[in-house]
Amino acid sequence: DAGVIQSPRHEVTEMGQEVTLRCKPISGHNSLFWYRQTMMRGLELLIYFNNNVPIDDSGMPEDRFSAKMPNASFSTLKIQPSEPRDSAVYFCASSRLAALDEQFFGPGTRLTVL
Amino acid sequence: KNEVEQSPQNLTAQEGEFITINCSYSVGISALHWLQQHPGGGIVSLFMLSSGKKKHGRLIATINIQEKHSSLHITASHPRDSAVYICAVFPIQGAQKLVFGQGTRLTINP
Repeated sequence: DAGVIQSPRHEVTEMGQEVTLRCKPISGHNSLFWYRQTMMRGLELLIYFNNNVPIDDSGMPEDRFSAKMPNASFSTLKIQPSEPRDSAVYFCASSRLAALDEQFFGPGTRLTVL
Repeated sequence: KNEVEQSPQNLTAQEGEFITINCSYSVGISALHWLQQHPGGGIVSLFMLSSGKKKHGRLIATINIQEKHSSLHITASHPRDSAVYICAVFPIQGAQKLVFGQGTRLTINP
């Protein structure tokens, strides 16, 4: 199995631009998570999908952030417009059943907003 | 006060030493996870446990539900064990999502 796949691995953009991060979960996994990691706040859950349905989006910072999961094998996290404080590493993870299960993390996308 | 506290925050040891990293939490939980984050940034799940002890190679994780405490032990430590180790708990009540500790940065010198 290829594991969780994320793209791009690195993204540098200018303030105000739209950013789209992509994730392909492990085949057969029913839950998908988007996390953000910063030095100040550590790992934070942004949003969690189960069977393609958003279950908990309370961690999404504000309306500039949106996430979709159109099918079981693909999810996007979009930031529009981006701001320098959005600079972080964004991880996607998936688990076989639910949030309680072991989670498998992707390699992350390092986002820098100038 | 954070719901999940790890100690120490930083730990440096010599190759071969026995390592212990501690995790204390303040809420009732369904499960506790130990994660490893390598210097390159990738995160790997090491253990998920809700009681007792689990062992995988040189790594051992224990949990005491009554005392709300878990430990991660590394026997015969090696420089390749150098990483950040993160404890995360899944609360029984409240938001159904992992709550993370701030991590313990472990450096093993040859």
